Amino acid sequence: GAVVSQHPSRVICKSGTSVKIECRSLDFQATTMFWYRQFPKQSLMLMATSNEGSKATYEQGVEKDKFLINHASLTLSTLTVTSAHPEDSSFYICSAPYDGYTFGSGTRLTVV
Amino acid sequence: AQKITQTQPGMFVQEKEAVTLDCTYDTSDPSYGLFWYKQPSSGEMIFLIYQGSYDQQNATEGRYSLNFQKARKSANLVISASQLGDSAMYFCAMREGADDKIIFGKGTRLHILP
Repeated sequence: GAVVSQHPSRVICKSGTSVKIECRSLDFQATTMFWYRQFPKQSLMLMATSNEGSKATYEQGVEKDKFLINHASLTLSTLTVTSAHPEDSSFYICSAPYDGYTFGSGTRLTVV
Repeated sequence: AQKITQTQPGMFVQEKEAVTLDCTYDTSDPSYGLFWYKQPSSGEMIFLIYQGSYDQQNATEGRYSLNFQKARKSANLVISASQLGDSAMYFCAMREGADDKIIFGKGTRLHILP
């Protein structure tokens, strides 16, 4: 089946630094990628939709300048958490609408 | 208003018993799709089953079946002969119309007891 490779799986960063999360489609071309955030024991909340070659679409309440999304090619979408703070600590997961919906394995971000 | 409602935050079920996880949804679009995912503690999202709004029959995938009651806007997941490995978080999700994005319910944590 289709695979979305997400890296890193875990990252710990200092407050104020930026972190980049990558989602790469390995055996298909992903023109669209959805980015979700999941706080502990909560549901997946859609943050934004990235589209190859155009600007990302952000959900209401999501700060565009804080969560930078880039979809530079048909196989790579990235989410950069800029100037991360402890409240940004969460589980971030991407999903491509291919073969049903193919999810990455998620990134657990801890900001200290 | 919530689009997807899962009213059971947690459930405890004896191994080998069947279990039903509830999901109700809200949409005015005649074309939609309903999904169930399993999320173990590792965090990965495992696709279980899909039901399209125009599908005439209830979806089944091995031990999973979806009890689709369109008039009630209900899409309950039934797991037959539960196993210890079924212990996980389960999410109901929906896609509406031509929109590709899917929205998740709050989930149900299922505990299978030996």
